[in-house]
Amino acid sequence: ILNVEQSPQSLHVQEGDSTNFTCSFPSSNFYALHWYRWETAKSPEALFVMTLNGDEKKKGRISATLNTKEGYSYLYIKGSQPEDSATYLCAPNTSGTYKYIFGTGTRLKVLA
Amino acid sequence: NAGVTQTPKFQVLKTGQSMTLQCAQDMNHNSMYWYRQDPGMGLRLIYYSASEGTTDKGEVPNGYNVSRLNKREFSLRLESAAPSQTSVYFCASSEVQVQGTRYGYTFGSGTRLTVV
Repeated sequence: ILNVEQSPQSLHVQEGDSTNFTCSFPSSNFYALHWYRWETAKSPEALFVMTLNGDEKKKGRISATLNTKEGYSYLYIKGSQPEDSATYLCAPNTSGTYKYIFGTGTRLKVLA
Repeated sequence: NAGVTQTPKFQVLKTGQSMTLQCAQDMNHNSMYWYRQDPGMGLRLIYYSASEGTTDKGEVPNGYNVSRLNKREFSLRLESAAPSQTSVYFCASSEVQVQGTRYGYTFGSGTRLTVV
């Protein structure tokens, strides 16, 4: 079982601040990485699927980058809003099978 | 669009009882998955079904069985529930995975199971 680490575990920011989180994973045999947004009392929703080293994806104020050689991905939120409050999960696949392994997430709270 | 539907949403079982969690998807996805979510831990894969007619163990399969009834439905059975199986269970589905899959998983709304 590969070791997926997300940091920080939790984060409080003020509305309007920009922030970023890290997902670290073993760099060998990389296939793809998912980012999910998980709001309380809901189910995780896919944000990005990243596959290539150097990938950059963007959706509105949220963007992500991928470095497969060193085994990390960053998620950025520009100008955080209270509605961005959620847990952000990453799930890399480095096994070449159907198994994506989920990190424990970064819990973001945006204060109005 | 229903997406992934799980039933029931809540369940309380006594130790030793059995139950089946139902999951159905209407997106014509080939692959389906069962995860459990416990405090302080990431979603952990119990079983998955890459395609209709196949099932495989995930990280934490002990105490569970699954059935891929058809392309739409994937059920999870607890034969003899134990308190350690108290958890929130999520079903998910995805398109057939190849290297560099383009789409993430679609999750159901979860089943909160308590075993007393």
